[in-house]
Amino acid sequence: KAGVTQTPRYLIKTRGQQVTLSCSPISGHRSVSWYQQTPGQGLQFLFEYFSETQRNKGNFPGRFSGRQFSNSRSEMNVSTLELGDSALYLCASSLAGTSGLEQFFGPGTRLTVL
Amino acid sequence: QKEVEQDPGPLSVPEGAIVSLNCTYSNSAFQYFMWYRQYSRKGPELLMYTYSSGNKEDGRFTAQVDKSSKYISLFIRDSQPSDSATYLCAMRQGYSGGGADGLTFGKGTHLIIQP
Repeated sequence: KAGVTQTPRYLIKTRGQQVTLSCSPISGHRSVSWYQQTPGQGLQFLFEYFSETQRNKGNFPGRFSGRQFSNSRSEMNVSTLELGDSALYLCASSLAGTSGLEQFFGPGTRLTVL
Repeated sequence: QKEVEQDPGPLSVPEGAIVSLNCTYSNSAFQYFMWYRQYSRKGPELLMYTYSSGNKEDGRFTAQVDKSSKYISLFIRDSQPSDSATYLCAMRQGYSGGGADGLTFGKGTHLIIQP
């Protein structure tokens, strides 16, 4: 079974631009969560989507947004990029029900903002 | 005070040693506790999870949760060089049943197993 895939793997943008990252969950997984990982703050929860609806949201500004499609694929968007947005963005998928406790992470997208 | 505290290390031990990794937390509402392993340039990989207090064993790995002390541990027996990675603890509050809520992570401990 294929794992979680994220595209692109690496991205370089300049301040003020916007960026869209993509995540394809494991087949059959309906929940997709996004996390930001930085050396200073570690892994921080951004938001979680289940059946195309945002179920939970972390403490990030409105510049960070996401969506989920009917096939469970998800995208996250960051507008008006700031230098501090440079990070590894990780997507994780899980099944519905009690198995949702087990989140499977993709390799991440490394975003560099110049 | 951070919700979850974890010593970043690095923690360096010889091959074959027993490794002890720990996290403390402040939010008494946490009920589910996980340990993830992350290799360089990879996403985190779930090792095991436990609910509430107690022990759980899986092969060379044992997870312990002491909710009264707000302290969790991961023990690795017969450590191997391939165990060298960053180990992240994670936890969350009650489970709603409809999907996965956000996890709160420690910053991770960098573990080095010397051959």
